[in-house]
Amino acid sequence: NFVLTQPRSVSESPGKTVTISCSRSSGSIDSNFVHWYQQRPGSAPVSVIFDDNQRPSGVPDRFSGSIDSSSNSASLTISGLMTEDEAYYYCQSYSVAIRSVVFGGGTKLTVL
Amino acid sequence: QITLKESGPTLVKPTQTLTLTCTFSGFSLSTSGVGVAWVRQPPGKALEWLGIIYWDDNNRYSLSLKSRVTLTKDTSKNQAVLTLANLDPMDTATYFCAHAKILSEGGMDVWGPGTTVTV
Repeated sequence: NFVLTQPRSVSESPGKTVTISCSRSSGSIDSNFVHWYQQRPGSAPVSVIFDDNQRPSGVPDRFSGSIDSSSNSASLTISGLMTEDEAYYYCQSYSVAIRSVVFGGGTKLTVL
Repeated sequence: QITLKESGPTLVKPTQTLTLTCTFSGFSLSTSGVGVAWVRQPPGKALEWLGIIYWDDNNRYSLSLKSRVTLTKDTSKNQAVLTLANLDPMDTATYFCAHAKILSEGGMDVWGPGTTVTV
């Protein structure tokens, strides 16, 4: 099985760009899709990126996802930061070996 | 438009069995490729995947909970059901169900609001 590691927290100013990483401990990051969810306090998670880099309808194009095979990690990039982007962000992928979904530990984004 | 909503008891005793129902609309669990996943979140902690039931009953379960979790569906009622046996206070969490597609390898595109369960 593998672990997805995210930074516990990141912070950036409004209008700036932030990137949240999601590192896969074993196996290739590009062997299974990576998905990203935003969760505001007291609310359910919301999909912001699916299938590595696809944006659900209604999600602003300020949100983008990418995969980097050289670092074996995925990234969520949010540009033009807004205070409403302040939330927890979780990455998720799938382990074929154990036929289970794997979540990262989550990253708290603070927009200050 | 896809919507889901979880329902069930809010307070259960240790050793009891928890049964939660996910009632959904906008899709059918008899459609090829479609699934309903269950995820929980203990207070102040990260998301934890519990399992997924697919249209063909080819279920997947979290290894850590496999012995205690059962997922079933009632396609005529548009419902998916989570059963968690032998409850422990560590099972206190908010439980979510979510729509998923097998082609997205467990990716969950629409989530219910969640229901909080205290053991």
